[in-house]
Amino acid sequence: EAQVTQNPRYLITVTGKKLTVTCSQNMNHEYMSWYRQDPGLGLRQIYYSMNVEVTDKGDVPEGYKVSRKEKRNFPLILESPSPNQTSLYFCASSPRQGATGELFFGEGSRLTVL
Amino acid sequence: AQKVTQAQTEISVVEKEDVTLDCVYETRDTTYYLFWYKQPPSGELVFLIRRNSFDEQNEISGRYSWNFQKSTSSFNFTITASQVVDSAVYFCALEASGTYKYIFGTGTRLKVLA
Repeated sequence: EAQVTQNPRYLITVTGKKLTVTCSQNMNHEYMSWYRQDPGLGLRQIYYSMNVEVTDKGDVPEGYKVSRKEKRNFPLILESPSPNQTSLYFCASSPRQGATGELFFGEGSRLTVL
Repeated sequence: AQKVTQAQTEISVVEKEDVTLDCVYETRDTTYYLFWYKQPPSGELVFLIRRNSFDEQNEISGRYSWNFQKSTSSFNFTITASQVVDSAVYFCALEASGTYKYIFGTGTRLKVLA
């Protein structure tokens, strides 16, 4: 089954404790991206990757890191989480292939930072 | 700068009523793509439609229809004969071709009452 898988789905952590949210897709998509969803703000793009080893900042990259060492994986790293990073996070992938494609989203990861 | 505005925060209708969700966008690019996504109460994000800036034809898919008007920078979504299962948050999104950046609106929560 074609899918984007995120882990963990739910996480409660404390300020400053490094964490990684993994994202993996099995559709051989070139493009992957991360979003956070907050009430009243919709979805905002954190980082995106056009292909392996190619990443760039979205609209809200502060406090986050990403890497794209393999085509299928695009982990989101919070080196020192803070309470304002409490949010619902979505990973997405898309078959770019030279034309803008629809985004295939993971199920979301709800993160709480105390 | 690119922007997507969904001015309707929440709409409530009674089942079988028609409802239109508004989406107004801003971009200086001549080539861009517009999308609608649905987020039901279960939380996942579901792709509904993609439209490129050169195709102003309206589209109908069952009870769903979309009206794209470049003259008013709008991409409105109409649900005909709404059903309770249509209750969800609906997001409009914009991507200027080649930018790899998706800009989402803040979403419209639609409640369809039985």
